[in-house]
Amino acid sequence: ETGVTQSPTHLIKTRGQQVTLRCSSQSGHNTVSWYQQALGQGPQFIFQYYREEENGRGNFPPRFSGLQFPNYSSELNVNALELDDSALYLCASSLALAGGQETQYFGPGTRLLVL
Amino acid sequence: GIQVEQSPPDLILQEGANSTLRCNFSDSVNNLQWFHQNPWGQLINLFYIPSGTKQNGRLSATTVATERYSLLYISSSQTTDSGVYFCAVSSLIYNQGGKLIFGQGTELSVKP
Repeated sequence: ETGVTQSPTHLIKTRGQQVTLRCSSQSGHNTVSWYQQALGQGPQFIFQYYREEENGRGNFPPRFSGLQFPNYSSELNVNALELDDSALYLCASSLALAGGQETQYFGPGTRLLVL
Repeated sequence: GIQVEQSPPDLILQEGANSTLRCNFSDSVNNLQWFHQNPWGQLINLFYIPSGTKQNGRLSATTVATERYSLLYISSSQTTDSGVYFCAVSSLIYNQGGKLIFGQGTELSVKP
């Protein structure tokens, strides 16, 4: 069983640039969720993708967008980067069932620094 | 939306000591997970426990859904237990079945 992987591990960008972060979900999972974790805080939900459609969104502006591919891998895109976007970005995969969500498993994260 | 509060915010233990971490939540949940975040940022699943009691080695957890709290017990703590422990919940009531809401965490430091 392959776990959740993310790339890159670290990234440095300048204000105004765009960034794409990638996530490969655990085999057998059909749902990917993205979270942003600022230093000293708990992770904050950005959005979730289920069967290639956005399935819920947190309190993040439209410049945060995403994609899910047929193999259930996912991308998080952030446009017009701001200094406050500096954070650890976490991807989680899970298996959505009729009765609700099962356990979410997290990847190692991507550390983004915006200068 | 649902609120999650963890206590204590910080905890310092001597190796071998036991501890109890608490998570209070403000409404009914359909998912509650406990995580350990290591110094490199990896969130490691400890328990999926929306109700009941589970044990895994030196760790155990109990969720009393009717009283809206969960407890994580760590026995015979080791230095490798150091890190931040998060409780996270989701709630179908708020149409947030897939959204995990995290508490602020408990930072545990185990001294040799």
